Amino acid sequence: EIVLTQSPTTMAASPGEKVTLTCRASSSVSYMHWYQQKSGASPKLWIYDTSNRASGVPNRFSGSGSGTSYSLTISSMETEDAATYYCQQWSSNPPTFGSGTKLEIK
Amino acid sequence: QVQLKESGPGLVQPSQTLSLTCTVSGFSLTSNSVHWVRQPPGKGLEWVGAIWSGGSTDYNSALKSRLSISRDTSKSQVFLKMNSLQTEDTAIYFCTRTGSLYWYFDFWGPGTMVTVSS
Repeated sequence: EIVLTQSPTTMAASPGEKVTLTCRASSSVSYMHWYQQKSGASPKLWIYDTSNRASGVPNRFSGSGSGTSYSLTISSMETEDAATYYCQQWSSNPPTFGSGTKLEIK
Repeated sequence: QVQLKESGPGLVQPSQTLSLTCTVSGFSLTSNSVHWVRQPPGKGLEWVGAIWSGGSTDYNSALKSRLSISRDTSKSQVFLKMNSLQTEDTAIYFCTRTGSLYWYFDFWGPGTMVTVSS
């Protein structure tokens, strides 16, 4: 199965700061998807097919990447963006998730 | 609107069988596939298995021998049964869906906490 490694595991950013989260795959994947999960809530689809924002996601969020390296970027951190972000692939079975990046506000 | 909601016992004794139900609305089980994903307390997400829109199933290979997923399309319900439960199966169990042409999980239920303990 494809293992997804997210980095960093935890980070803190100040309001207005640019943030980049990384997801590396153990084998090449065609697309990467991202989910946002806040404490006590279910995950929400955030970015799909590498670079498409899900409905309602602010345009300060963007996704990019190819092959084995993908990233989610926040152009200007806001308080409401504090959450855990997970990447996910389904280029090969089974679908797998990264272990998550916990993003906190400074 | 699309909704999924999990229901289940909350507490299961070790070695017993877990039975969960996912009730969906706003879409048809013959148009979308429903998946189970679980999350142990404080940990990440693990795909458990799926029932595809055509009715076939797929399971996480690590759980396959203990797992069964089925559905009742007339009631818009999907069922998960997992036997021989151990403490490591303690987790929040989510049901979620994919479409026929996409491989990401676009809607999720709120999840149901399952604790395996005597």
